[in-house]
Amino acid sequence: AQTVTQSQPEMSVQEAETVTLSCTYDTSENNYYLFWYKQPPSRQMILVIRQEAYKQQNATENRFSVNFQKAAKSFSLKISDSQLGDTAMYFCAFTGGTSYGKLTFGQGTILTVHP
Amino acid sequence: GAGVSQSPSNKVTEKGKDVELRCDPISGHTALYWYRQSLGQGLEFLIYFQGNSAPDKSGLPSDRFSAERTGGSVSTLTIQRTQQEDSAVYLCASSSSKTGLGGTQYFGPGTRLLVL
Repeated sequence: AQTVTQSQPEMSVQEAETVTLSCTYDTSENNYYLFWYKQPPSRQMILVIRQEAYKQQNATENRFSVNFQKAAKSFSLKISDSQLGDTAMYFCAFTGGTSYGKLTFGQGTILTVHP
Repeated sequence: GAGVSQSPSNKVTEKGKDVELRCDPISGHTALYWYRQSLGQGLEFLIYFQGNSAPDKSGLPSDRFSAERTGGSVSTLTIQRTQQEDSAVYLCASSSSKTGLGGTQYFGPGTRLLVL
């Protein structure tokens, strides 16, 4: 079974600074996908970034980028130029193999951006 | 276009009552997922639909839980004889993947269920 671990229950950062959220996973699959989702207090889960395991290049989306280390099974999220609107719970998620795409989530990291 | 919608937004019920939660996926998305989010258990997969079929029901916690999907679109999650441990946020997601794998899932706003 796959597992996803987020070891930082809470993080805080000053506005305009950079913060990195950690995620590690365990799997024996070769074909899989990793995601970061953001859940603000409104409860809506919003996709932040998606990484395909067979792609060596790290995914980026504007201020958001990942450091995907396949051998180490690590998938960290870097948020640059943090904004107040980035305050949310962030979930790392995994799907792979014959799982029909169902997501296995980490425990989440609460990120607070301070003005 | 419109995103995933869920109704009701909030539901309060008494222990032992049945509840129905509805999910309307993004138009054209054939894959549909239900997840449960609770304080104690985090985010858990419940069931996966591809079209009207449910190839993976492995996450349904008991036989009190059932789900159906009609017309390859709207899905209903039914909880019979609700218990207090069923209190949680129920999230629905859809994707355009025909096999499930690799598709990006887009989530609805969830239904918060409180069982008194």
